[in-house]
Amino acid sequence: EAQVTQNPRYLITVTGKKLTVTCSQNMNHEYMSWYRQDPGLGLRQIYYSMNVEVTDKGDVPEGYKVSRKEKRNFPLILESPSPNQTSLYFCASSLSTGPHEQYFGPGTRLTVT
Amino acid sequence: AQTVTQSQPEMSVQEAETVTLSCTYDTSENNYYLFWYKQPPSRQMILVIRQEAYKQQNATENRFSVNFQKAAKSFSLKISDSQLGDTAMYFCAFMKPPIRAGNMLTFGGGTRLMVKP
Repeated sequence: EAQVTQNPRYLITVTGKKLTVTCSQNMNHEYMSWYRQDPGLGLRQIYYSMNVEVTDKGDVPEGYKVSRKEKRNFPLILESPSPNQTSLYFCASSLSTGPHEQYFGPGTRLTVT
Repeated sequence: AQTVTQSQPEMSVQEAETVTLSCTYDTSENNYYLFWYKQPPSRQMILVIRQEAYKQQNATENRFSVNFQKAAKSFSLKISDSQLGDTAMYFCAFMKPPIRAGNMLTFGGGTRLMVKP
């Protein structure tokens, strides 16, 4: 089954404790992105990758890191989480050519206390 | 920068009736893509319908159709014969070609739709 997986689905942590949210896709997509969803703001792009070893900042990159060492994986790293990073996070992937549909993972609910 | 506005934070409709969700956007681009995504309580993001700006014909997917008014920068979603399973948050989204930023989507704030029995 074609899918994007994320782990963990739920995470409660404390300020300053490094964490990683994993993302993996099995569709051989070139493009991958991370979004965060906050009430009233919709989803906003954090980082994206257009291929292995090619990553760049989205609209809200502060406090986050990513890596793309393999085509299928795109982990999101919070090296020193803060309460304002409490949010719902989505990983997404898509082909570099049309029809440009983004396939989303199931989401990770992160709470930073 | 592109912005997407959904002016209706919440809406409700009776089962089997028709409802229209509004979306406006601001861009200086001529070619772009527009999408409606559905997010049910499971939180999964599900693509409902897409529209290419160069196509004048409005997109349709079964009970879902759009009214795309390019000059007015408006992209509304009509749901006909509403079903209980349509209860969800609906997001309007914009994508700008030439494809940059990993096919980045700019989302509106969402409209929460409740279908009542």
